Amino acid sequence: DIQMTQSPSTLSASVGDRVTITCRASQSISGWLAWYQQRPGKAPKLLIYEASTLESGVPTRFSGSGSGTEFTLTISSLQPDDFATYYCQQYNSYSPYTFGQGTTLEIK
Amino acid sequence: QVQLQESGPGLVKPSQTLSLTCTVSGVSISSGGYYWHWIRQHPQKGLEWIGWMHYSGTTHYNPSLKSRVSISANRSENQLSLKLSSVTAADTGVYYCARSPLRHFDYWGQGTLVTVSS
Repeated sequence: DIQMTQSPSTLSASVGDRVTITCRASQSISGWLAWYQQRPGKAPKLLIYEASTLESGVPTRFSGSGSGTEFTLTISSLQPDDFATYYCQQYNSYSPYTFGQGTTLEIK
Repeated sequence: QVQLQESGPGLVKPSQTLSLTCTVSGVSISSGGYYWHWIRQHPQKGLEWIGWMHYSGTTHYNPSLKSRVSISANRSENQLSLKLSSVTAADTGVYYCARSPLRHFDYWGQGTLVTVSS
């Protein structure tokens, strides 16, 4: 299986900060990476797919980049609603879908 | 508006079969172009993909669970079902159904907690 490693595991930040979360794949996945936000007790919510395409209705302060094995999710100016856990997820036709272990974004 | 809703027993005994249903509204599971998935989340841990069923009826499972899992559809009720046999405590978690165009999951159910315990 393709392993997805996110860093950091926990990130402390303040409202208005710019933050970046990194996701690394154990082998190349081209651009087939998605990012999700999960709030406690809720299902994950799709933010970005195909590494950099913003899902409809998601604020433009969220952006994604990368290809191959290294990807980033950036939030340009943190809002109170953004404190949650973020997961990356890869797709490869020869491997099961796998997710990163998650990055918890907490208020500093 | 696409909605998915999981349902089923919240408590299953070890060695028994876990059975869940996902009721889909707003789109037919038989309409072209979509895959219908089950994904689970272990307590305080990450997400694990279980398997998918294509609108055509084809299925594909995570090799780690393949010997114990079955996904099927009740097209008249627009429902997806999951069966996981010979469960252990390691199968405890929140189970989600989700839709994907293929490579990412765009709609999720709210999830249902299943506890495996005697």
